[in-house]
Amino acid sequence: DAGVIQSPRHEVTEMGQEVTLRCKPISGHNSLFWYRQTMMRGLELLIYFNNNVPIDDSGMPEDRFSAKMPNASFSTLKIQPSEPRDSAVYFCASSPVSGANVLTFGAGSRLTVL
Amino acid sequence: AQSVAQPEDQVNVAEGNPLTVKCTYSVSGNPYLFWYVQYPNRGLQFLLKYITGDNLVKGSYGFEAEFNKSQTSFHLKKPSALVSDSALYFCAVRGVYNQGGKLIFGQGTELSVKP
Repeated sequence: DAGVIQSPRHEVTEMGQEVTLRCKPISGHNSLFWYRQTMMRGLELLIYFNNNVPIDDSGMPEDRFSAKMPNASFSTLKIQPSEPRDSAVYFCASSPVSGANVLTFGAGSRLTVL
Repeated sequence: AQSVAQPEDQVNVAEGNPLTVKCTYSVSGNPYLFWYVQYPNRGLQFLLKYITGDNLVKGSYGFEAEFNKSQTSFHLKKPSALVSDSALYFCAVRGVYNQGGKLIFGQGTELSVKP
């Protein structure tokens, strides 16, 4: 298995533009997580899905952020409009559904908003 | 609410010396506890986990961690540090009753091992 695949690896955009980050989880994993990592705030959980259904989106910063999982093999995190404070590394992770299972992380998408 | 604290932003160790990276947690009920490592420009990689049973858990690359319920701690240890162990280390917790739910990470501790 190729692991969790994220794209793009790097994105530089201007304030106000729409940004879409993509994630392909490991086949057979039923849970998918989006995390954001910054120096100031560390690793924050934005949203997670079980069986394609959003379970907890309390970490999504505001309405500018949205996430979808239309099927078991694909998820998107969209920011519209983007702002400089959204600059961060965004990680997608997946795991089998159950409490003790290990998350497998993608390599991350580094977003810079100018 | 679940939370994790890593009290040290940075730990400096000489190669060959033992290392400890500290972690304390707060969770309702019994915890599942994890350690992950992050190398520069990479995603997090799993090191080890505690579910139940023996309080000393052994993981990848010679790392181990000791679960202490009374102190709500899960410190990461290694008897002899290598320069290649230099990385960012994250402790994480999930409550047993939070099946399929949130995994909460600490702020991370940067480990620097000098030759």
